[in-house]
Amino acid sequence: GESVGLHLPTLSVQEGDNSIINCAYSNSASDYFIWYKQESGKGPQFIIDIRSNMDKRQGQRVTVLLNKTVKHLSLQIAATQPGDSAVYFCADEFGNEKLTFGTGTRLTIIP
Amino acid sequence: DAGITQSPRHKVTETGTPVTLRCHQTENHRYMYWYRQDPGHGLRLIHYSYGVKDTDKGEVSDGYSVSRSKTEDFLLTLESATSSQTSVYFCAISGTGYGYTFGSGTRLTVV
Repeated sequence: GESVGLHLPTLSVQEGDNSIINCAYSNSASDYFIWYKQESGKGPQFIIDIRSNMDKRQGQRVTVLLNKTVKHLSLQIAATQPGDSAVYFCADEFGNEKLTFGTGTRLTIIP
Repeated sequence: DAGITQSPRHKVTETGTPVTLRCHQTENHRYMYWYRQDPGHGLRLIHYSYGVKDTDKGEVSDGYSVSRSKTEDFLLTLESATSSQTSVYFCAISGTGYGYTFGSGTRLTVV
């Protein structure tokens, strides 16, 4: 399958600030995208998803933006908290096939 | 994680010995997956199952076999463990609409 990658391996943000994590995907046919959060010693946890017929989707303090023209996905976390420190993965899927994961970005929230 | 458990959580084994990891789900989901996670590689698919006795290979299946005799259980076997199989192994299940749900992982060390 196609690979999904991340622009930045690490990101440090001051507590209370907003953070943006970026992801590039290569399969233009991908129609479903997910962001996962992985805390130390735990499995990845679903945060938010978006389908290719949408450009933006909001959750609680999180927003995912999808730009299909440039095959780019971003995760915005508002008013970051210490508990947001984790590794964040994007993943994509085409037509109910298997998800393909990026290598992850480590987000560190500075108190 | 709700609905999916992995066992054991930690295991140390010797090179050349067989090892079996277990994934158990209570969600009655059709799809189950085994991934390994290594630094710099993200999550890589080993094997997956799309029903009882229906399994297929992923991108890193060499040295691994799987079995699924019941909907709720998906077993991963390392036929003859090698040091390169030292990793964290995650099981995931897939229902409809929300990507994958992951287990808490098994940390395997082959010495």
